[in-house]
Amino acid sequence: GAGVSQSPSNKVTEKGKDVELRCDPISGHTALYWYRQSLGQGLEFLIYFQGNSAPDKSGLPSDRFSAERTGGSVSTLTIQRTQQEDSAVYLCASSPRGQGTEAFFGQGTRLTVV
Amino acid sequence: RKEVEQDPGPFNVPEGATVAFNCTYSNSASQSFFWYRQDCRKEPKLLMSVYSSGNEDGRFTAQLNRASQYISLLIRDSKLSDSATYLCVVNKRFSGNQFYFGTGTSLTVIP
Repeated sequence: GAGVSQSPSNKVTEKGKDVELRCDPISGHTALYWYRQSLGQGLEFLIYFQGNSAPDKSGLPSDRFSAERTGGSVSTLTIQRTQQEDSAVYLCASSPRGQGTEAFFGQGTRLTVV
Repeated sequence: RKEVEQDPGPFNVPEGATVAFNCTYSNSASQSFFWYRQDCRKEPKLLMSVYSSGNEDGRFTAQLNRASQYISLLIRDSKLSDSATYLCVVNKRFSGNQFYFGTGTSLTVIP
């Protein structure tokens, strides 16, 4: 079946503009994660959705970042008033509910703020 | 303290060598453990899960020591295609199935 799908694959935006990044998880996966990876760095947790529970937003770096997940499926990560330090690859992953299950990643959105 | 800590390397080894990566985790409530592989400019992909009794998949062996909160990955007979970054991942069920990633260990296998 289809894997995790992210769009766009690449996004170049001007400093100060807002951007929206989309993630379409694997059908039936109740858990959805957003991570950020800067060049040569590890994965930085941003936000986590699990079913109908309140999301874990503890990783969002500032109030310019927000995310929502509609109908327990597609998720959108929004970055307002983008800054150059927001340039990174934004990775989305989904996972079935339950212990011991792996997370499956999308190919990421490469965001460049100029 | 970070949830998961790894030696970032880099590890540069000749073809055919055996190389081991180590990882420690901070929370004893951690329930599931994985090794992921990430190629340059690609997304992470599952290499193998790590089971309490240790497990092997071809040239790859993973081990878990819960008492020491320590995970290892052993690669035997290294191939050029093994060059990648290896991520240690810990899953804490009772924090809502959250995944915690190490920063990764870089491996380059040299001809």
